[in-house]
Amino acid sequence: AQKITQTQPGMFVQEKEAVTLDCTYDTSDPSYGLFWYKQPSSGEMIFLIYQGSYDQQNATEGRYSLNFQKARKSANLVISASQLGDSAMYFCAMRGPYNFNKFYFGSGTKLNVKP
Amino acid sequence: GAGVSQSPSNKVTEKGKDVELRCDPISGHTALYWYRQSLGQGLEFLIYFQGNSAPDKSGLPSDRFSAERTGGSVSTLTIQRTQQEDSAVYLCASSFLGLAGGPMGELFFGEGSRLTVL
Repeated sequence: AQKITQTQPGMFVQEKEAVTLDCTYDTSDPSYGLFWYKQPSSGEMIFLIYQGSYDQQNATEGRYSLNFQKARKSANLVISASQLGDSAMYFCAMRGPYNFNKFYFGSGTKLNVKP
Repeated sequence: GAGVSQSPSNKVTEKGKDVELRCDPISGHTALYWYRQSLGQGLEFLIYFQGNSAPDKSGLPSDRFSAERTGGSVSTLTIQRTQQEDSAVYLCASSFLGLAGGPMGELFFGEGSRLTVL
C-alpha cells in the first residue's frame, strides 16, 4: 500500500534559521513524483516544490529545497532563512506509483516561525 | 478565471438536507480531484476524474456522496442527507498530466468550500 508519513505534527523555528520538515514514503515502484504544499491559515494550498523519482539532483526553488534520499525513501523539505510568513501547515504528497493520477497526502506538519 | 474556482465558499445547512458543491477547474486541465479536510487534519481523497475515463470513486465515504463532471469541465459534489460529521472544507483541485518527462502535473487547488452541518 502507498503511504506518506510526516512524523512531526508541529515544529518551531527561529526567524532566519533553516528548518527541515520530514517526509517518508512507502512504495515498491520505481516511478513516482513527490510534492510539497504549503497551507497558510487562509486555507489555500500552495505548491512549493517537486521531485521526480528519476531526478538525479535534489530539487530547489528559491528558499525551498528537497533533500531526496531515494534509498531511504525520504523527501524532506528544507526551508532556509525562515520568515514569519512561512508559518503554515506543510503537506508532503506522492503522485503514483502505478496510477499516475493518484495523489497521496501526509498528515501535515504545522510550522511556527518565531520572531 | 485563471485558477480553480469553487462555490459556495461557505455553506451552512441543517442535518438531513442535501448540498451541492461546485468546482470549475483550470481550462485545459484533464484531471479533477475532490478532497475533504476536517479541521486541523490532512487531506482525505474522495474522487477524481481523468478525461473521459470512469472516475475513481474509491475515496467516497458513503453512498450519500456522489460527484459528476459534465463536459470534462465543471464538477459538482453532492452530499445527500447531510450529517454533522460531514462538516469540513471540501477542496477541489485540477491538474494537467503531460507525457513522461513533461509537466510535473502538480495539483492546483481552489480555495475550498467550507461546509457546516448543524
